[in-house]
Amino acid sequence: SQQGEEDPQALSIQEGENATMNCSYKTSINNLQWYRQNSGRGLVHLILIRSNEREKHSGRLRVTLDTSKKSSSLLITASRAADTASYFCATDGSGGSYIPTFGRGTSLIVHP
Amino acid sequence: DGGITQSPKYLFRKEGQNVTLSCEQNLNHDAMYWYRQDPGQGLRLIYYSQIVNDFQKGDIAEGYSVSREKKESFPLTVTSAQKNPTAFYLCASSIDHTLSGNTEAFFGQGTRLTVV
Repeated sequence: SQQGEEDPQALSIQEGENATMNCSYKTSINNLQWYRQNSGRGLVHLILIRSNEREKHSGRLRVTLDTSKKSSSLLITASRAADTASYFCATDGSGGSYIPTFGRGTSLIVHP
Repeated sequence: DGGITQSPKYLFRKEGQNVTLSCEQNLNHDAMYWYRQDPGQGLRLIYYSQIVNDFQKGDIAEGYSVSREKKESFPLTVTSAQKNPTAFYLCASSIDHTLSGNTEAFFGQGTRLTVV
């Protein structure tokens, strides 16, 4: 069963705009991670946020975590055409397991 | 270069055949995983292994088998019992999460399997 669900499923924006993607999950977690996947390729790890953290930054990425609402958001600021990809959240810790469990992803298109 | 390598990139299988997908890592990671990705379905866990000579079923293990004879290698066999094997298969590895709590996974580039 899939733990995380991303929203929206698809997002289309212009270069320079910010992109926000959300992830909701069902049970308690140890960590929440965001990954990026270019079409037909493997996933690349972007950022990990632990359950006791509320916000984390990495370059143009900002991730928030609200454990009371069981949700996370990924913000990409000043988006570029090269940010076009699918973005997945992955949670672990459900039932004591550290196995990353992925959602269905958000497909982001950034128009130049 | 350290990394995780999947081969082949594309694989075609006739109905009734078994095929084996290769996954090798030189990251000295203890844990390895196989995921299946279908359009609109995200990633679903097939099998995982936390240590050599041990592996566990994931959510969709039926019709698949694995082995973990070496730390570096975690091959996946898609058997004829898998009724709908056409999909994109992703292998991943991570350090021993039970010690560090760090579950960052490193992925291979995937194998696209098509039944013909």
